[in-house]
Amino acid sequence: AQRVTQPEKLLSVFKGAPVELKCNYSYSGSPELFWYVQYSRQRLQLLLRHISRESIKGFTADLNKGETSFHLKKPFAQEEDSAMYYCALVIQGAQKLVFGQGTRLTINP
Amino acid sequence: DTGVSQDPRHKITKRGQNVTFRCDPISEHNRLYWYRQTLGQGPEFLTYFQNEAQLEKSRLLSDRFSAERPKGSFSTLEIQRTEQGDSAMYLCASSLTRGSGEQYFGPGTRLTVT
Repeated sequence: AQRVTQPEKLLSVFKGAPVELKCNYSYSGSPELFWYVQYSRQRLQLLLRHISRESIKGFTADLNKGETSFHLKKPFAQEEDSAMYYCALVIQGAQKLVFGQGTRLTINP
Repeated sequence: DTGVSQDPRHKITKRGQNVTFRCDPISEHNRLYWYRQTLGQGPEFLTYFQNEAQLEKSRLLSDRFSAERPKGSFSTLEIQRTEQGDSAMYLCASSLTRGSGEQYFGPGTRLTVT
């Protein structure tokens, strides 16, 4: 069965500190993973996808098939990074998303 | 076109009443998805359309739920005989079949069943 696990519901770090949001997945097919972000009072939006291997707002995420992980990282957190972050797996065919339960990231000044 | 829109944004209803939500996707997007999000959880897939065809429904979608996309444009999600357990945020998303398939989400409709 396909599943996405985000073990931390809450994560709090100080401004300027490194951030790592954990994501593990279970999927029998070839995985395609995303990170979505929801800022306060805004809609859910795509942050980055693993196939593009890009850095968005200083965030990167590397797919590790051996560890079935797709952790989100940023070397220096900024206050505007405070938001809800969801890791999501795309199910091939329908392209429907399976989301983790989310991690609320708070950056303290 | 400023993105996916949903109406209403909030709905309070009494148990047993029927409710209907509307989603207007980005105009050129042929895929439309409905998700449900309860407190403390990530969104869960309910159903999706490619053009006007409903191609998949989740087991979460009981017989009381029905969705339509009559002309391959906007979609409606109806819940009959609402129950308190239906209280949730209902999200709509749209995408293109080709390209990255990135899903663009609407603001959601928050349903409260009293």
